[in-house]
Amino acid sequence: SAVISQKPSRDICQRGTSLTIQCQVDSQVTMMFWYRQQPGQSLTLIATANQGSEATYESGFVIDKFPISRPNLTFSTLTVSNMSPEDSSIYLCSAGINRGYGYTFGSGTRLTVV
Amino acid sequence: EDQVTQSPEALRLQEGESSSLNCSYTVSGLRGLFWYRQDPGKGPEFLFTLYSAGEEKEKERLKATLTKKESFLHITAPKPEDSATYLCAVQPPNFGNEKLTFGTGTRLTIIP
Repeated sequence: SAVISQKPSRDICQRGTSLTIQCQVDSQVTMMFWYRQQPGQSLTLIATANQGSEATYESGFVIDKFPISRPNLTFSTLTVSNMSPEDSSIYLCSAGINRGYGYTFGSGTRLTVV
Repeated sequence: EDQVTQSPEALRLQEGESSSLNCSYTVSGLRGLFWYRQDPGKGPEFLFTLYSAGEEKEKERLKATLTKKESFLHITAPKPEDSATYLCAVQPPNFGNEKLTFGTGTRLTIIP
């Protein structure tokens, strides 16, 4: 299975600023995914990032707030823009090598907005 | 819309006390059901994928089973290191839609 390196592992940010989270996969993957996990809750998909095309966002998430880059088959970034305390959460990236054969997750970024 | 419900929300067991976690789902079609383990401060760790009713998979003290409406994660003679939150997720049937819908998890605590 793939190994995903995600950074930063945590950050404390001022409201109104932006944070970019990076994910590096140790092998080429077609799809990468970005999730949010709010305290005590489960994972909610933000968007699917395909190399060479624009990301596909889920309902309730917009590109202006969560721009995503996918420059190649092993790397993706998620930016949380113009942050407010409501954006405080754990953000996770995920990737799958083979369809349906389990998706690997990064270790997550714990974001606190003050 | 796909829905996944896990029960119980939390479970405390004595070391060696076997039990089962439940994941019930409502989906238009199922391509796969996934079980993950999540430790505090970490990302989910993949455990199993189940594809069809009647399928079973095992890994150490864990066994996952699948019916047409639910899945069980059986834990046999658990140890304290099995303490974690266990998540299940479903994947829709149409290839090209890789979205996983997660349940809220069962927080398992094994008491020595």
